[in-house]
Amino acid sequence: DSGVTQTPKHLITATGQRVTLRCSPRSGDLSVYWYQQSLDQGLQFLIQYYNGEERAKGNILERFSAQQFPDLHSELNLSSLELGDSALYFCASSNPAGAGTDTQYFGPGTRLTVL
Amino acid sequence: AQKVTQAQTEISVVEKEDVTLDCVYETRDTTYYLFWYKQPPSGELVFLIRRNSFDEQNEISGRYSWNFQKSTSSFNFTITASQVVDSAVYFCALSEADGAQKLVFGQGTRLTINP
Repeated sequence: DSGVTQTPKHLITATGQRVTLRCSPRSGDLSVYWYQQSLDQGLQFLIQYYNGEERAKGNILERFSAQQFPDLHSELNLSSLELGDSALYFCASSNPAGAGTDTQYFGPGTRLTVL
Repeated sequence: AQKVTQAQTEISVVEKEDVTLDCVYETRDTTYYLFWYKQPPSGELVFLIRRNSFDEQNEISGRYSWNFQKSTSSFNFTITASQVVDSAVYFCALSEADGAQKLVFGQGTRLTINP
């Protein structure tokens, strides 16, 4: 158990809908990262938040957005869903003290199926 | 741009055999970090090891060992006396030290250990 929690574990929805994925980082971790794992694209970085502020953006679609709240949990919002958005979405957390890279610990993932 | 290549898509061996998973990376940074993660059939991503670019010492942890060679930009992972429980997809990843601390993943190697 990494200490990172994600809900829900599974989500089935229809095209055009909007969903929210939730992540709670490990106790004390300030950084939250979101990744998407799909069969064709592999594991791809979406976005990073550090202590409530967006820090880095990757290949995140405009239909997707995220935020990190004062209690450090994060939500990833996916809207106008398409079939191709079906994937496993991971949240990871770390606690970088400054420059350098800390280890990212991953949650169990949320499997999104768009029908 | 950073890139990680895991040329072996699938490997299948018989239990107790030794197996090496290859990882080759590309980066322009002089300071970077390398990681291995394991994804068992249950789907979560489990952290195995983190290495910084200044530490070329090989590491051994039980049946697992890692060989980091900057000269060939490789960070290979060897499992000695493999067991069925080692069956999983293994990912090699790279992260830069400054700026976005995103992980860039290879495509993964699916390892099957047959009894």
